[in-house]
Amino acid sequence: EAQVTQNPRYLITVTGKKLTVTCSQNMNHEYMSWYRQDPGLGLRQIYYSMNVEVTDKGDVPEGYKVSRKEKRNFPLILESPSPNQTSLYFCASTQITGQGHEQYFGPGTRLTVT
Amino acid sequence: AQKVTQAQTEISVVEKEDVTLDCVYETRDTTYYLFWYKQPPSGELVFLIRRNSFDEQNEISGRYSWNFQKSTSSFNFTITASQVVDSAVYFCALSEAFGRGSTLGRLYFGRGTQLTVWP
Repeated sequence: EAQVTQNPRYLITVTGKKLTVTCSQNMNHEYMSWYRQDPGLGLRQIYYSMNVEVTDKGDVPEGYKVSRKEKRNFPLILESPSPNQTSLYFCASTQITGQGHEQYFGPGTRLTVT
Repeated sequence: AQKVTQAQTEISVVEKEDVTLDCVYETRDTTYYLFWYKQPPSGELVFLIRRNSFDEQNEISGRYSWNFQKSTSSFNFTITASQVVDSAVYFCALSEAFGRGSTLGRLYFGRGTQLTVWP
């Protein structure tokens, strides 16, 4: 079954304590990305990756890091989380073809930073 | 620049009423894809539809229908005979077919419309 998994699904942490949210896809997609969702703002892209070792900033990259050492994994790293990073995070994996873009989303990670 | 506007922040209806969610988009690409997603209270994103820019045929799926009008850059979503289970946040999104660099494969989301259906 094609899927994108994220862990953890829920996380409450304190300011400054480094954390990593994992994302994995089993579809061999080259393109992956991270979005954050905030009330009234919709989803905004944080970082994206076109392939292994190829990553770049989206609209709201401040305070985040990513890595893409393997095709299937695209972790999101918060080196020093702050309360304004409290949000719902989605990982997405995209198949880009001539017929269209198939977008697959993970189930989301609800992060609270106190 | 790419932009998706959902002007309706919240809509409330009573069960069995019809409701239309509006979506207006902007893009310079001539080939693009439009999406609707549903986000129930549990939080996951549920894919509803993808429409290619070169296919303006309207689509119906059960109680759901979509009206794509390129002339007005709109992709509206209608729920007929709404039900309590339709209560959710609905997102409209756009993706460019031949984006360059940071735009290829990326989804541009509207801010969402909170739909509440009362029994």
